[in-house]
Amino acid sequence: GENVEQHPSTLSVQEGDSAVIKCTYSDSASNYFPWYKQELGKRPQLIIDIRSNVGEKKDQRIAVTLNKTAKHFSLHITETQPEDSAVYFCAASSRNTGFQKLVFGTGTRLLVSP
Amino acid sequence: EPEVTQTPSHQVTQMGQEVILRCVPISNHLYFYWYRQILGQKVEFLVSFYNNEISEKSEIFDDQFSVERPDGSNFTLKIRSTKLEDSAMYFCASSDSKTTGSYEQYFGPGTRLTVT
Repeated sequence: GENVEQHPSTLSVQEGDSAVIKCTYSDSASNYFPWYKQELGKRPQLIIDIRSNVGEKKDQRIAVTLNKTAKHFSLHITETQPEDSAVYFCAASSRNTGFQKLVFGTGTRLLVSP
Repeated sequence: EPEVTQTPSHQVTQMGQEVILRCVPISNHLYFYWYRQILGQKVEFLVSFYNNEISEKSEIFDDQFSVERPDGSNFTLKIRSTKLEDSAMYFCASSDSKTTGSYEQYFGPGTRLTVT
């Protein structure tokens, strides 16, 4: 089955710096890669996602890149703000029918210091 | 914006007891999921449900677990004979890809299950 590795486990940056979180996946059939932000005690919330027919997607300060050949994808956050502090999870899914089982990475705790 | 809701927010139960966790998915969604997250760990898939039957289940989802959609709005996870290791946050999620084409899964706020 699918296995998703995520690095780093913790990331500390200064406000205004960029942050990059990397994930690798094992199943070449995976075709959907969402990123979720989870604040303490809260539900995971989708912040950006990418499908396998696209190499890069951007939404304001966040962007995701996908390298299908190498089976890795990355989250880039620019101009970080203290409110970006949270745990970020990548996930991979093989969507061959309507439903999709998300396989999550182990999470990255991002701390943005003012 | 519509949201997935879950009740209760926190459930404390004794080992060996049965618990039912309840979820109300977004009303026009077709696909329903349960995930769990042990404290400090990653979110793990348990089961997906579509058209009133299980689509896929993980190794975690053994015979002590069952799911049901008893009416048009609720989606429940039952854990029979709870064990200490069942203590976790349980998230319900729903998605609808057929009408919107969106792959996004919307998560509920979770039920924290504590087995003592």
